[in-house]
Amino acid sequence: AQKVTQAQTEISVVEKEDVTLDCVYETRDTTYYLFWYKQPPSGELVFLIRRNSFDEQNEISGRYSWNFQKSTSSFNFTITASQVVDSAVYFCALSRVGTSYGKLTFGQGTILTVHP
Amino acid sequence: DARVTQTPRDKVTEMGQEVTMRCQPILGHNTVFWYRQTMMQGLELLAYFRNRAPLDDSGMPKDRFSAEMPDATLATLKIQPSEPRDSAVYFCASGSASGEQYFGPGTRLTVT
Repeated sequence: AQKVTQAQTEISVVEKEDVTLDCVYETRDTTYYLFWYKQPPSGELVFLIRRNSFDEQNEISGRYSWNFQKSTSSFNFTITASQVVDSAVYFCALSRVGTSYGKLTFGQGTILTVHP
Repeated sequence: DARVTQTPRDKVTEMGQEVTMRCQPILGHNTVFWYRQTMMQGLELLAYFRNRAPLDDSGMPKDRFSAEMPDATLATLKIQPSEPRDSAVYFCASGSASGEQYFGPGTRLTVT
């Protein structure tokens, strides 16, 4: 069975602070995909990143960066110099690779509030 | 800018009524997923199709829910009869062969 845990239910920061959202996962698969999605107040789920378990390189995209550590089964997400527009619910998710690929197992989400 | 579209965006109906939600996936994507989001359960998979064939609908209450994909541009999720506990946001997602998955805006269903 697959499981994703986002231990931080809510995080509150002041604009320009850096913030890290934690994600820990469980799977018996040797290959898998990891995802992060953003759900702003409008309700849509916005795709942020997909990472293959083979690729442990960290990734940076603008103010966003992701730290994947297979040894600790973690895929953490950091926002540098946070902005009010970053306020949203962030979901980490896991999917299988192969014939069952695609269906996502989501964490419970972390509510991020960035205050001006 | 390819997007997943869903209709209706909002639906309010009375218990016992039939509800049909529609989804148009991104052209060229071969997988369509239906998810449901509630405060209590979070995001959960209901069913999904690959190349229009149903692969897994184990997350769906079979007695009242049905999902179909009559053609490559349309997926439907039907609830008959609807119940108040079905109130949720229903998301359709479109998946590419490379594993990326993009979500539609959702249908907010309220059953009174």
